[in-house]
Amino acid sequence: DGGITQSPKYLFRKEGQNVTLSCEQNLNHDAMYWYRQDPGQGLRLIYYSQIVNDFQKGDIAEGYSVSREKKESFPLTVTSAQKNPTAFYLCASSILGTGVGYTFGSGTRLTVV
Amino acid sequence: AQSVTQLGSHVSVSEGALVLLRCNYSSSVPPYLFWYVQYPNQGLQLLLKYTTGATLVKGINGFEAEFKKSETSFHLTKPSAHMSDAAEYFCAVSGPGLIQGAQKLVFGQGTRLTINP
Repeated sequence: DGGITQSPKYLFRKEGQNVTLSCEQNLNHDAMYWYRQDPGQGLRLIYYSQIVNDFQKGDIAEGYSVSREKKESFPLTVTSAQKNPTAFYLCASSILGTGVGYTFGSGTRLTVV
Repeated sequence: AQSVTQLGSHVSVSEGALVLLRCNYSSSVPPYLFWYVQYPNQGLQLLLKYTTGATLVKGINGFEAEFKKSETSFHLTKPSAHMSDAAEYFCAVSGPGLIQGAQKLVFGQGTRLTINP
């Protein structure tokens, strides 16, 4: 079955560390997205990518970085510059064009310890 | 710019009662509208969407929503609540041609639905 796989499901980060969240899809979707979810704030867009080797900043890109070396993969790195990284991170994908909606992964919960 | 407001961060209904979750949007272009559901510690699942055509759209699990342009609303309803409907619900908007290629969805803050036995 096609879908999006996020790993790990839970991740703990120490102060000052960089951590990378994995997102893989086998839906043959061109576009991929990373959202951050905080209680009461909905979902906020971090980065998105329309094509391999290209990506664009979303609304809250500071302290995050991404890469898109393969169509299937869109990893997110939470750097030490992100001062409040504790959140639920969701990866999504879609075909290009509007009105089609996203397919979401099951999320990664990141906690700073 | 697009924006979404969901009225009520928490809605509680009795099992068998009507479910009404409110969503109002702001958009400078004809909107595409979506409702998603999220169960605890899971991703979001598409319930239904409006793009063009019939303004009353039906989705999964017995949910439906009506696009009312004059009221800039897209409220989600279900005639009879079931215990399994307890979850968080998100309304989202995108506009045609907002971004060439990828579509940028703007989400509301979410409404947590609780079902009382």
